[in-house]
Amino acid sequence: GIQVEQSPPDLILQEGANSTLRCNFSDSVNNLQWFHQNPWGQLINLFYIPSGTKQNGRLSATTVATERYSLLYISSSQTTDSGVYFCAVPTDSWGKLQFGAGTQVVVTP
Amino acid sequence: EAGVAQSPRYKIIEKRQSVAFWCNPISGHATLYWYQQILGQGPKLLIQFQNNGVVDDSQLPKDRFSAERLKGVDSTLKIQPAKLEDSAVYLCASSLNPRGRLYYNEQFFGPGTRLTVL
Repeated sequence: GIQVEQSPPDLILQEGANSTLRCNFSDSVNNLQWFHQNPWGQLINLFYIPSGTKQNGRLSATTVATERYSLLYISSSQTTDSGVYFCAVPTDSWGKLQFGAGTQVVVTP
Repeated sequence: EAGVAQSPRYKIIEKRQSVAFWCNPISGHATLYWYQQILGQGPKLLIQFQNNGVVDDSQLPKDRFSAERLKGVDSTLKIQPAKLEDSAVYLCASSLNPRGRLYYNEQFFGPGTRLTVL
C-alpha cells in the first residue's frame, strides 16, 4: 500500500519563528489533506490540497503531485499552533485515508 | 453547519466489558468512517460505510468489534469484549464522496472518544 512519511518527527519553535513541515508519499494521489490535532485530540482540517498552493492566514501548503510531496508552512508561530500535524492521502477510490506518523510541534513563549 | 458529533467523549471500562460509541455525521454526507488512533500514531481506518452499506472493514477485528449504520445516517461502533490493547481514541469522520469521485473526498472528523481499558 501507499506509504506516507512526515518530517521532522518533532519540532520546537520559539514564538514568532517560521517552519516547514514535509510530507512524502510513495505513489501518485488524487488529493491530500493536512490536519492539526490539538492537545485535546481534535483533528482540525487545515488544507485539502491535491496540487498547487493554498494559503489560510499564517499557514500555507504546497503539493507537488508529480514529485510526490507536500509542504506545510507555519509563519510567525504562536503557542496555539502547538500540537501534532498530520498529512493523509487516499489509498483507494472510496477515500480510505493513509496517515503519516505526524510532526509534533511545540511553540514556546 | 454542524460538524461531526460523537459521544461519549471519554469512557473507562474494565477488560472483558463491552462499550459502544455513537457518531452523527455532517448532514448530507454519504460516507462515514471509523478510525482508531493509538497514542503516538496516526489514525487507522477500522470500517467505512457508503450510505448504510459497508465498503471496507478489512482492518476491523470482527471477533470483538462490530459497527452499523442504520438508515444511512448515525452509526454505532461496539467492542465486546474489550481488551487492554483497545485503549485508544476512536474517531468518526464523514465526507460527501459520491462513489468514485475523489474530488469530494475531503474528510471531516469528530472530537473523538477516548477509551481506557483497565
